[in-house]
Amino acid sequence: TQLLEQSPQFLSIQEGENLTVYCNSSSVFSSLQWYRQEPGEGPVLLVTVVTGGEVKKLKRLTFQFGDARKDSSLHITAAQPGDTGLYLCAGGSNYKLTFGKGTLLTVNP
Amino acid sequence: GAVVSQHPSWVICKSGTSVKIECRSLDFQATTMFWYRQFPKQSLMLMATSNEGSKATYEQGVEKDKFLINHASLTLSTLTVTSAHPEDSSFYICSAQILERSYNEQFFGPGTRLTVL
Repeated sequence: TQLLEQSPQFLSIQEGENLTVYCNSSSVFSSLQWYRQEPGEGPVLLVTVVTGGEVKKLKRLTFQFGDARKDSSLHITAAQPGDTGLYLCAGGSNYKLTFGKGTLLTVNP
Repeated sequence: GAVVSQHPSWVICKSGTSVKIECRSLDFQATTMFWYRQFPKQSLMLMATSNEGSKATYEQGVEKDKFLINHASLTLSTLTVTSAHPEDSSFYICSAQILERSYNEQFFGPGTRLTVL
């Protein structure tokens, strides 16, 4: 069984601060997705990384896939209240996704 | 692109009744659709995987006779919760994979909130 350990589970910060969320596994994944989910809605795909060492940027969000394709990180610069939500990492293998437990981020104004 | 819809968005039913939830991919064809269950402030729990024209594959511990899945076409999958009980109350979310892509990307519907009285 593949597992993805996501940390931290909860994060409450002030507007303007930076933060990093981590996803780690002992398994190799063919791809790694990051999703953001707001209460009462479905997850929205933010990014997909597929190459070891790959770095993708989406405005203030930077995503990195580990060289061995076992881990990933999400870094948010100058967080804003609109970034508040549940961030989920998901490792792709065969046709399924293995989800981390999520990071509940609250950005206080 | 890659829009997935779910209907209904919420439903309240009496214990013992059955509820059907529809999942549609609106602007693409989906080789595979997935059904998840989510409890408050928790991650998604995969219930089953459905492929068009074949039987669904259920995850361990999920009762296939209770959660009936039908994948009638490349754009429609349905989940029927049979003889619902209060413990079935949850947020149910479907997702779909695009036929032409191979990166395991899944696009999620907005979810259905089921409350069983």
